[in-house]
Amino acid sequence: LAKTTQPISMDSYEGQEVNITCSHNNIATNDYITWYQQFPSQGPRFIIQGYKTKVTNEVASLFIPADRKSSTLSLPRVSLSDTAVYYCLVGPYNFNKFYFGSGTKLNVKP
Amino acid sequence: GAVVSQHPSRVICKSGTSVKIECRSLDFQATTMFWYRQFPKQSLMLMATSNEGSKATYEQGVEKDKFLINHASLTLSTLTVTSAHPEDSSFYICSARDPRQGKETQYFGPGTRLLVL
Repeated sequence: LAKTTQPISMDSYEGQEVNITCSHNNIATNDYITWYQQFPSQGPRFIIQGYKTKVTNEVASLFIPADRKSSTLSLPRVSLSDTAVYYCLVGPYNFNKFYFGSGTKLNVKP
Repeated sequence: GAVVSQHPSRVICKSGTSVKIECRSLDFQATTMFWYRQFPKQSLMLMATSNEGSKATYEQGVEKDKFLINHASLTLSTLTVTSAHPEDSSFYICSARDPRQGKETQYFGPGTRLLVL
């Protein structure tokens, strides 16, 4: 599976848009990009998944440039409850094994 | 969405005892489930793949005789930490893929906090 690199931590304020970028330089042609959110003492929760260009759902947007060597998770108007660790994972469409990287700890301040 | 449960949510045991953790897929059948371990302030580490009706597949460095995995049905996988020691204290999380969801990827359980005294 493609290795991913994310910032260790980010700070933001309530109401701001937060963009978390993930680098995956050796992403394969059949790899998808998936983002998970994890709160302390809870299992990860699926946020969004995409292959190319832009994907949007009710909680986030995922931007993937043409070369697919990076991706950006965009969280609109964050609140204190968005404080969590966000993980970027890359793997084939039907991949099951998840090898988690360090993730990005997002701290939303009032 | 699909739901994966774990039981117990937390357990405290004495060193040398064995602890069993259950992982259930509540509204779908999972031929494959996965077990992770997470130490404080660290990322999740994949321990093993649980295969229904066959032996589990362990990641490199994970002792299969210490972490026994049984996937006896399509909705239940169990992880038994045998002869637990304080260094086994951790947060154990399972996951499973809902085959009905297409590319909706995996669902994780809420985790089990194990403390070995």
